[in-house]
Amino acid sequence: GAVVSQHPSRVICKSGTSVKIECRSLDFQATTMFWYRQFPKQSLMLMATSNEGSKATYEQGVEKDKFLINHASLTLSTLTVTSAHPEDSSFYICSARLGGPTNTEAFFGQGTRLTVV
Amino acid sequence: GESVGLHLPTLSVQEGDNSIINCAYSNSASDYFIWYKQESGKGPQFIIDIRSNMDKRQGQRVTVLLNKTVKHLSLQIAATQPGDSAVYFCAEMRPNDYKLSFGAGTTVTVRA
Repeated sequence: GAVVSQHPSRVICKSGTSVKIECRSLDFQATTMFWYRQFPKQSLMLMATSNEGSKATYEQGVEKDKFLINHASLTLSTLTVTSAHPEDSSFYICSARLGGPTNTEAFFGQGTRLTVV
Repeated sequence: GESVGLHLPTLSVQEGDNSIINCAYSNSASDYFIWYKQESGKGPQFIIDIRSNMDKRQGQRVTVLLNKTVKHLSLQIAATQPGDSAVYFCAEMRPNDYKLSFGAGTTVTVRA
């Protein structure tokens, strides 16, 4: 099956700094990627949809200036958590779809554990 | 708003027994559902999916049942193994924008 890779898998940063998380589709091109956030023992919450060549669309309640998304190529989307604070500590997961936005087959990355101290 | 949810947060099952995980959804317009398995510290892994024009779909040791009348989805795992211990999520594809909405998750623990 298709592979989606996230980097880094774990990151610890100081409060006030910014952190970039990469999501790559290794063997396919993805025009659409998705970013989720997951708190301990909770479900995945969709944060935003990353669209290659255009602006990301954010879910209600997600601050676009706080969580910057860039989808510069068909195989790479990045999520930057700006001015991170301890409450941003979470598990961030990306997914990518084969084909267009209505294609139902989605593949998930292994997740990035962010800890802000 | 409408969302997908799970009935029970935890399930303990004896190794070798069958497991049944339930999910209730509220958006009657949804036509595609997926079950995912998530092991600790990892991303979700696709298990099986089903479209609304089907009532049942079988995979290897897994079966998904869909009851559209009561908007209920279930995942059955046959002969549960220790490697099946994980959190299981049902997900619904939102019909308006084709994005996934996840349920709360059920933690399955397999007893040896």
